Amino acid sequence: QSVLTQPPSASGTPGQRVIISCSGSSSNIGSNTVNWYQQVPGTAPKLLIYSNNQRPSGVPDRFSGSKSGTSASLAISGLQSEDEADYYCAAWDDSLGGVFGTGTKVTVL
Amino acid sequence: QVQLQESGPGLVKPSQTLSLTCTVSGGPIYRGGYHWTWIRQHPGKGLEWIGYIYSGGTSYNPSLKSRVSMSLDTSKNQLSLKLTSVTAADTAVYYCARAPYSSSTIFDQWGQGTLVTVSS
Repeated sequence: QSVLTQPPSASGTPGQRVIISCSGSSSNIGSNTVNWYQQVPGTAPKLLIYSNNQRPSGVPDRFSGSKSGTSASLAISGLQSEDEADYYCAAWDDSLGGVFGTGTKVTVL
Repeated sequence: QVQLQESGPGLVKPSQTLSLTCTVSGGPIYRGGYHWTWIRQHPGKGLEWIGYIYSGGTSYNPSLKSRVSMSLDTSKNQLSLKLTSVTAADTAVYYCARAPYSSSTIFDQWGQGTLVTVSS
């Protein structure tokens, strides 16, 4: 029941920049802030970006977020091998409650 | 540092009720400011918000609302999830998480998750 759409996969070589998109609607991204999570398989998700573009303490500054209209993006600059994981966007939907993106698997080539 | 830990049966029979508990350590759950949330992840799939509970009430995913209930036990510092009439489609890893009132999808603390399989 994912109402936020992400590309299923993204990849890059070490050092490259990777951008993941998250597309929603006026009832979610268009009217509420976006958060991003990183999930290494077999572990719980970890908060990566909150309130569109804020990094929690301890998250490297090569991770950045942005939002425009009903879409948001997560950028990973200087891709590293430990960035290989699944990434999810999340937002509040005014009708549905909490909604997540479909998820993007990032592969470091 | 607040820590969350899910517990409960790993196997539930179809049509029965799934019951899980999340024990919170490092801070009282009755202290205002947080929505205590349940999230699940079907095997190999994405994340699904089930709902949250706080001292002022609950909010549930509309697609699960008829089968879900959540409660708080402040004496044990626990939150609980009940999901009735389960089917194989409810097989998933269930997480509890914490989100501030200011934004109910900023999950800053998570449990490690517990796998629940629905099977006879």
